[in-house]
Amino acid sequence: DVKVTQSSRYLVKRTGEKVFLECVQDMDHENMFWYRQDPGLGLRLIYFSYDVKMKEKGDIPEGYSVSREKKERFSLILESASTNQTSMYLCASRTGTGRRDEQYFGPGTRLTVT
Amino acid sequence: GENVEQHPSTLSVQEGDSAVIKCTYSDSASNYFPWYKQELGKGPQLIIDIRSNVGEKKDQRIAVTLNKTAKHFSLHITETQPEDSAVYFCAANSNDMRFGAGTRLTVKP
Repeated sequence: DVKVTQSSRYLVKRTGEKVFLECVQDMDHENMFWYRQDPGLGLRLIYFSYDVKMKEKGDIPEGYSVSREKKERFSLILESASTNQTSMYLCASRTGTGRRDEQYFGPGTRLTVT
Repeated sequence: GENVEQHPSTLSVQEGDSAVIKCTYSDSASNYFPWYKQELGKGPQLIIDIRSNVGEKKDQRIAVTLNKTAKHFSLHITETQPEDSAVYFCAANSNDMRFGAGTRLTVKP
């Protein structure tokens, strides 16, 4: 089974703090994604990466950055957390080869910024 | 880009009844349509998917249908059980995966 793990299930941070959210997948997938999930807005793509050291902006990249130094690990960084970044953050991975499109999600990190 | 709309946003059914959730998409190049189930406090789990060369797929109590001409696809759950209560998301994939806003399904015992 594909396993996508996230470093924290719940996180509480103060406004202005730098926040790191870590995601690790064990299926050697090329593609990794960060989404945020808010009530009524569904899943919105923040950033994605299709290879090591490669990154692409999604629909809402402002206030976020990412890092992919190793194939299995994709980090989301909030340089200076703000209260409007309180949300559920979901990491996902997907293989980039052939017709295998299945995308798998981690359990999510619920971040509260006070 | 792709736009996915999902209806209804909430759905309440009696245990044993069927539930149907519908999605439409805009990009005719989309070729892969997964459905995810998200239980409270967990990440979305892939429950069934369908590709554009297939019109229907079934897995026990769940089935998905796809109408490429009309650009819509549906999730059907038969003989619903309380443990089916969750938020369900549809998605469509062409160059990237786009998700519907979700349907909160409640199955009343």
